[in-house]
Formats: sequence, C-alpha cells, structure tokens
Amino acid sequence: GQQVMQIPQYQHVQEGEDFTTYCNSSTTLSNIQWYKQRPGGHPVFLIQLVKSGEVKKQKRLTFQFGEAKKNSSLHITATQTTDVGTYFCNSHNQGGKLIFGQGTELSVKP
Amino acid sequence: NAGVTQTPKFQVLKTGQSMTLQCAQDMNHNSMYWYRQDPGMGLRLIYYSASEGTTDKGEVPNGYNVSRLNKREFSLRLESAAPSQTSVYFCASNQGYAFFGQGTRLTVV
Repeated sequence: GQQVMQIPQYQHVQEGEDFTTYCNSSTTLSNIQWYKQRPGGHPVFLIQLVKSGEVKKQKRLTFQFGEAKKNSSLHITATQTTDVGTYFCNSHNQGGKLIFGQGTELSVKP
Repeated sequence: NAGVTQTPKFQVLKTGQSMTLQCAQDMNHNSMYWYRQDPGMGLRLIYYSASEGTTDKGEVPNGYNVSRLNKREFSLRLESAAPSQTSVYFCASNQGYAFFGQGTRLTVV
C-alpha cells in the first residue's frame, strides 16, 4: 500500500531558528495535506497541495510539493514557541484511505 | 457547530473488558476513520468507512471492530481489551480534508 515517510521524527530548535520537515513517498501522490497537532490536542488541517511544484505560504510557514509529486516539505521561518507540536503529512489515496506519516515533533526552546 | 464528537474522553479498562468508543459528525461527510496514536508511532489507521454501510480495515485492525451505524455515527469496539490497546484514539471525518475529534485516552490495566 501507499506509504508516506516523514523525517525527522523529532526536532529541537532554539526560538528564532528555522525548521523543516519532509514527507516522502515511493509512489506519485495525488495530493499532500499537512496537519498540526498541539501537545494534548488533536490534529488540525493546515493546507493541501495538489499541483506539481506547488508552493504555498501561510505567514511564516512555507509548503512545497515536489515536481514529481513524490515528496513535500514544510518550512517554518524563525520559529516561535507557538509552533510547538507535531506536524503530519497525509495523502488521500484511492479507495478512501487516509494514511498519515509518523509526524515530526517540534520543540522550541525560548 | 460541533464537528466531530467523541465519547468518552477518558476511560480505564481492565484486561478482558469490552467497550465501545462512540463518534459522531454533523458535517454530512461520507468518510469516517478511526486512528490510534502511540508515542513515536504517529497516527495509525485502524478502520475506515468510505460511505454509510461500508467499512474496511486499515493498518492495525486486529483486536477491533467497527460499525457505521448511519452517516453520522462510526463506533469502534474493543471486545476484549489488552494492555497493548492502551492508546489515544481519534475519530475523523473527511470531505476534502480531515476533521478530528478531541480524542479518547484509553488505559487498559
């Protein structure tokens, strides 16, 4: 079945540093979605990418979808303590399954 | 707007006990999902239902059963709970992107 692998599993940064997490697949993805889960909370949808090479921005967050539609990245510029949480990528494959990556847990030291 | 509602929020079971986790969504979504989340393991799909009347196994279905009672409700049943089923369980519905419930923190002792 289709799998999305996410790296790194954990990332500890100093407040103000940048952060990037990557999502990789061995097969071409129809789309990629990103979610954020705050500690003790539930995952919340951030964004969806559909087109090859697509780049979208949300304030300090930049999302990219690879040209081959097999990988994606989420980059946070100048992290803040409010960015703490786990970031998941997800791809909606055929048949209705929603398979998530392992997630990247981000901690930010003030 | 309630979104996705899960009950209960917390539960402690003894090994061998059974219980049903309830999930309801009020967004008229066709697809619903059950996940478990364990430290370092991300979100693992247990079962899903692409539409009312259908259910399919996910990545980790063993030890669980589900019922898609109607379009709104999708329940998860543990027939004989085991300590390995200690986890946080999330229900989600999807129409374009996923909406998650608040989660059920289950401990099996």
